[in-house]
Amino acid sequence: QKEVEQDPGPLSVPEGAIVSLNCTYSNSAFQYFMWYRQYSRKGPELLMYTYSSGNKEDGRFTAQVDKSSKYISLFIRDSQPSDSATYLCAMLSASGSRLTFGEGTQLTVNP
Amino acid sequence: NAGVTQTPKFRVLKTGQSMTLLCAQDMNHEYMYWYRQDPGMGLRLIHYSVGEGTTAKGEVPDGYNVSRLKKQNFLLGLESAAPSQTSVYFCASSWTSGGTNKETQYFGPGTRLLVL
Repeated sequence: QKEVEQDPGPLSVPEGAIVSLNCTYSNSAFQYFMWYRQYSRKGPELLMYTYSSGNKEDGRFTAQVDKSSKYISLFIRDSQPSDSATYLCAMLSASGSRLTFGEGTQLTVNP
Repeated sequence: NAGVTQTPKFRVLKTGQSMTLLCAQDMNHEYMYWYRQDPGMGLRLIHYSVGEGTTAKGEVPDGYNVSRLKKQNFLLGLESAAPSQTSVYFCASSWTSGGTNKETQYFGPGTRLLVL
């Protein structure tokens, strides 16, 4: 069983929709939770990161972490065609130096 | 400030050939990583380094070797390429003491490798 599970999609939504991307994990030692965005034929770039449980908002993006359920989410409000990319969740334990990535969810926002 | 750069961008090898992928970063980061990305498998860590002169195995190290002789460079070697090593390879770096967090990794643009 993978440490981090992520629905690979693909996910296709109309412009303006609210998008929900999710990951579950099994390692209770994970303390840092990240979302990376990867455009086609590019390297991933950090989009959001949170420490422990709670919510974090940045513009149209909201990251949620529920450690009791071992579940994290990324919400995108008012989605735009420029949000079309693959979104990868990633996690790190407090003592770790290596990220564990989910498989990535491919999102397409249609104009 | 170029960030993380990778050389080459694309390469075709025949089975059994060797090659070295070069990663360079100009952010004075301590940690560097090599990943491979395959459809349906996500990003998998091959090897990583927590400082100049150190290396450690990741999730899928077999068939690869690495060296970190200089802080800014991390080399990934394939001694005898196999078709199973056809993939997109990404280098990443993170953490400056007293600076960025360890969890923030900066990725290069990737190297596409095809092994025939």
